[in-house]
Amino acid sequence: KNEVEQSPQNLTAQEGEFITINCSYSVGISALHWLQQHPGGGIVSLFMLSSGKKKHGRLIATINIQEKHSSLHITASHPRDSAVYICAVRSGNNDMRFGAGTRLTVKP
Amino acid sequence: EPEVTQTPSHQVTQMGQEVILRCVPISNHLYFYWYRQILGQKVEFLVSFYNNEISEKSEIFDDQFSVERPDGSNFTLKIRSTKLEDSAMYFCASSRQVQETQYFGPGTRLLVL
Repeated sequence: KNEVEQSPQNLTAQEGEFITINCSYSVGISALHWLQQHPGGGIVSLFMLSSGKKKHGRLIATINIQEKHSSLHITASHPRDSAVYICAVRSGNNDMRFGAGTRLTVKP
Repeated sequence: EPEVTQTPSHQVTQMGQEVILRCVPISNHLYFYWYRQILGQKVEFLVSFYNNEISEKSEIFDDQFSVERPDGSNFTLKIRSTKLEDSAMYFCASSRQVQETQYFGPGTRLLVL
């Protein structure tokens, strides 16, 4: 069983739609990261969460520690949001476990 | 804005050869990491490094791998005797503190023939 599960695996949306990507994990964590991987392969860190909610522009990330679940929301989605979104958790010291990613395609 | 850089961007090598992948972390960062991503698969943690020593490593990081901070700016990953299955994108990352955001480099795509 994967320690970090993401859903959906693939998501296609129309421009302007509200997007939600989910992440569930089965290990104790000290922090959860949401990352964005562009088609060229580069990885950008979007959020690091240990509790509650964070917002940056059109992106919102929430985490529920008791339920071991996090969500990434994109409001007013745009084609430039098309990327793979990866959930990763830090457990123990500096050991990171990654989800398989959610491939988002936003059509104009 | 400061960024993590990696060289080379691409490397092709023969099986059994040694390769060194180089990273320059952000200058005031204290924690350094290597990850790999085999084509079509998820990102995997290899190793973290702090205060000139390994602080955590995964089961992937066996005796064929080593890391070093040879000077004040570079952070290297060495694979002693490459295997076909080492072909992957290798990402370096750094963070100021362990509980802070990690910044990723652009990656080195390694192909072992």
